[in-house]
Amino acid sequence: GAVVSQHPSRVICKSGTSVKIECRSLDFQATTMFWYRQFPKQSLMLMATSNEGSKATYEQGVEKDKFLINHASLTLSTLTVTSAHPEDSSFYICSARSFRDLTQETQYFGPGTRLLVL
Amino acid sequence: AQKVTQAQTEISVVEKEDVTLDCVYETRDTTYYLFWYKQPPSGELVFLIRRNSFDEQNEISGRYSWNFQKSTSSFNFTITASQVVDSAVYFCALTQTGGGNKLTFGTGTQLKVEL
Repeated sequence: GAVVSQHPSRVICKSGTSVKIECRSLDFQATTMFWYRQFPKQSLMLMATSNEGSKATYEQGVEKDKFLINHASLTLSTLTVTSAHPEDSSFYICSARSFRDLTQETQYFGPGTRLLVL
Repeated sequence: AQKVTQAQTEISVVEKEDVTLDCVYETRDTTYYLFWYKQPPSGELVFLIRRNSFDEQNEISGRYSWNFQKSTSSFNFTITASQVVDSAVYFCALTQTGGGNKLTFGTGTQLKVEL
């Protein structure tokens, strides 16, 4: 149980294009999903917290117009990197917290998406 | 503010050796959760353990064991008889109850297990 998928696993795009990354909880409902960014050999940096049916909460320094997050259902959240530039190249990881896991606080992570902007 | 410190950046051991990964945390909350995640080269974070602040019992799961010491704000992770498949980056993390459930991660420890 508690499986989270991400699609695509890897994407290469040209500078200026937009890229959408999907995060799905496959066997549980997730009221909250989180989006992280990880640079090589570094820790995870939280970008935003996404709650189903409401606007995402962005961390300080993260441009909400650059990184659009939509959490339209209890099993799907999307991150769109708009007008991507080479500096947006990174490993993006989502996580989901179970609707039934209210007292357990565990986040289950997706396999990540490697974005390379040329 | 919360903080997690993993002072060991990289550890190399020979297979079958025991290895302990250190984790020290700071929080003002009385109720919180501590986690360990494993990140193999593939990149996916694998959940290993969750421990709440009221449960100081040590836990053992196969070759893995965890030592939670509230008095020293530490939550160390020991792998017994390490194997090459244990090679990965291990992250310790902390979250407070409520408050958006944000995870504060340590910087990670790269474990290399060699033959």
